[in-house]
Amino acid sequence: QQQVKQSPQSLIVQKGGISIINCAYENTAFDYFPWYQQFPGKGPALLIAIRPDVSEKKEGRFTISFNKSAKQFSLHIMDSQPGDSATYFCAASYLGPDKLIFGTGTRLQVFP
Amino acid sequence: EADIYQTPRYLVIGTGKKITLECSQTMGHDKMYWYQQDPGMELHLIHYSYGVNSTEKGDLSSESTVSRIRTEHFPLTLESARPSHTSQYLCASSDPTGLTEAFFGQGTRLTVV
Repeated sequence: QQQVKQSPQSLIVQKGGISIINCAYENTAFDYFPWYQQFPGKGPALLIAIRPDVSEKKEGRFTISFNKSAKQFSLHIMDSQPGDSATYFCAASYLGPDKLIFGTGTRLQVFP
Repeated sequence: EADIYQTPRYLVIGTGKKITLECSQTMGHDKMYWYQQDPGMELHLIHYSYGVNSTEKGDLSSESTVSRIRTEHFPLTLESARPSHTSQYLCASSDPTGLTEAFFGQGTRLTVV
C-alpha cells in the first residue's frame, strides 16, 4: 500500500505559469513533509520542507500548502522557469528527515 | 553543496559478480541511508544506519548488505549480482538532531548483464 500518493505524473507548463503538484498521505503520525528536486543524473536535493504545525511555507518562488485535516500537501512553483524542469518528489517521515517515504514523482517540463 | 560522495557513478557488470558501492560523507552525520530508485520511479529505503556498527533493513526488501565500520563510510555490497539488481542506488545522510535536511549523493547507476 502506497503511503504517499503524488499527482500528476507529468506536468507541462509555460514559462511564467504556475506549477502545482499534489501529494496525499495515509499516516497521521508523519511529522515532516519535504519536497525534493531531481535533475537527470543527479541525486535529489531538498527544495522546501514543512512540519504539520504550519499550513503554508514560502521560500522564493516555491510554496508548500499543507492541509492536515485532509492529509494533503502541495507544491506551488510561481513564475515557472525552464530551469525548473526536473522531477519533483514529495516525501513524508515520522522523525524529521529520517527514513523518508517518497511519492512516485512528477516530471515537470517548463517551455519558453 | 552536500559533501556526500558515491562511487562509481556508473557500473556495468556481469551476472554472478560481487560488487561494492561506496558512499562517504564528510559532514560527520550519524544517520546514513541507502535508497533504490528504478528509472522514473520513486525512491525506496533499503538500508539505514544510525551510527557505527548499527545497520537495519529498510522498507523494501533487498539482497544487498551494508556495513558501518566508520562514521563517514557506508558501503553497500551485492555478493552475486543479478539482472534484477539493475537500478540506481542513492546514498543519503542526515544529522542526529533531525533539524536539517537529508543530503543525497549523486547515485550509482548499476546495470547487471
